[in-house]
Amino acid sequence: AQSVTQLGSHVSVSEGALVLLRCNYSSSVPPYLFWYVQYPNQGLQLLLKYTSAATLVKGINGFEAEFKKSETSFHLTKPSAHMSDAAEYFCAVSEGNSGGYQKVTFGTGTKLQVIP
Amino acid sequence: DTGVSQDPRHKITKRGQNVTFRCDPISEHNRLYWYRQTLGQGPEFLTYFQNEAQLEKSRLLSDRFSAERPKGSFSTLEIQRTEQGDSAMYLCASSLGRTGEATGELFFGEGSRLTVL
Repeated sequence: AQSVTQLGSHVSVSEGALVLLRCNYSSSVPPYLFWYVQYPNQGLQLLLKYTSAATLVKGINGFEAEFKKSETSFHLTKPSAHMSDAAEYFCAVSEGNSGGYQKVTFGTGTKLQVIP
Repeated sequence: DTGVSQDPRHKITKRGQNVTFRCDPISEHNRLYWYRQTLGQGPEFLTYFQNEAQLEKSRLLSDRFSAERPKGSFSTLEIQRTEQGDSAMYLCASSLGRTGEATGELFFGEGSRLTVL
């Protein structure tokens, strides 16, 4: 069964500092991996996704993530945090199943706080 | 197209009452998902529709829960005889995908928050 583990339920960074949110996955088949962001009182929206093309994936708002098969990781980074990045971030793994559809499993989330 | 919409956004009910949530997906999307999100947790899968067919239900979905997607358009999630443990955010998501495709983006609504007193 597929799963993702997000290390750190809360991360605080200073404005302008590097953002690093960790995600490790477990999947019996080559995974498709996603990062979603959720702002307060809003739904989740896609930041970026890895679908077995380039291992370094660039997303919206300056975020990027690198797929490392040897480490089963898909950590999310941003060189310089902005106040508007304060939100909750979810790592997710997707795989097809016998029913022919996409099953998406989410991690428990990491709340990012940006300190002025 | 204004995205996935959910109604109501907030529902407060007393234990034992029935509640129903509605989700209107993006019009051309054939896949529809329901997830439940509690405080400090990520979205947990509840059920999935491909067009009007309900293809999978999580064991989280007890017999008090029922979901429908008539005509493959909007969907409803009904909870009968609500319990305090049902208090959560219920998220609906939709996507467009061919059979076997697993790379699609899920588009989420803003959720329906249920509080059971």
